[in-house]
Amino acid sequence: DGGITQSPKYLFRKEGQNVTLSCEQNLNHDAMYWYRQDPGQGLRLIYYSQIVNDFQKGDIAEGYSVSREKKESFPLTVTSAQKNPTAFYLCASGWGFGGELFFGEGSRLTVL
Amino acid sequence: GQQLNQSPQSMFIQEGEDVSMNCTSSSIFNTWLWYKQEPGEGPVLLIALYKAGELTSNGRLTAQFGITRKDSFLNISASIPSDVGIYFCAGQRGGGSNYKLTFGKGTLLTVNP
Repeated sequence: DGGITQSPKYLFRKEGQNVTLSCEQNLNHDAMYWYRQDPGQGLRLIYYSQIVNDFQKGDIAEGYSVSREKKESFPLTVTSAQKNPTAFYLCASGWGFGGELFFGEGSRLTVL
Repeated sequence: GQQLNQSPQSMFIQEGEDVSMNCTSSSIFNTWLWYKQEPGEGPVLLIALYKAGELTSNGRLTAQFGITRKDSFLNISASIPSDVGIYFCAGQRGGGSNYKLTFGKGTLLTVNP
């Protein structure tokens, strides 16, 4: 089935550790996005990529890093520099020239 | 970043009632989208609007793209318990490389059977 797959669904991390969240899509979309969701805050853009090997910072990129080596994949690394990493992370993809975004089911990261 | 003002923040209604929510912005958007999110899941697209003044329906849902391009409305008629969730509006300015979506903070809808 076509769609966006995020893994893991739940992740626990100790302070000081980097963690990587996976996002894979088989919709042949050019653009991919990472959002962070906190209660009552809506969705805030972390990074986005409109083509392979290129990505741009969103509104809250500090403490995060991404790569886009393949069209299908856009992993997000939450580094130890991110001071408040506990959140629900959402990956999305789209055609890149406007219009709808399609979301994965999300990954919930908890820092212990 | 840009802000969308979505209201109300939450709604508690009885099954069968109609629901209205809206988003406003100080900036013009060329696309308005409405999403629904259920607990622990990603948002699902409900309706996409691409033209000022456009009125689009999806079953019991109706959304409108405001004529000023600075607002959008979502109505749900005859609500049912499975309508429960968070509804988000999103705007996109478009043009050049500006294809990012800006999201409202959401409207939490609770439907009492």
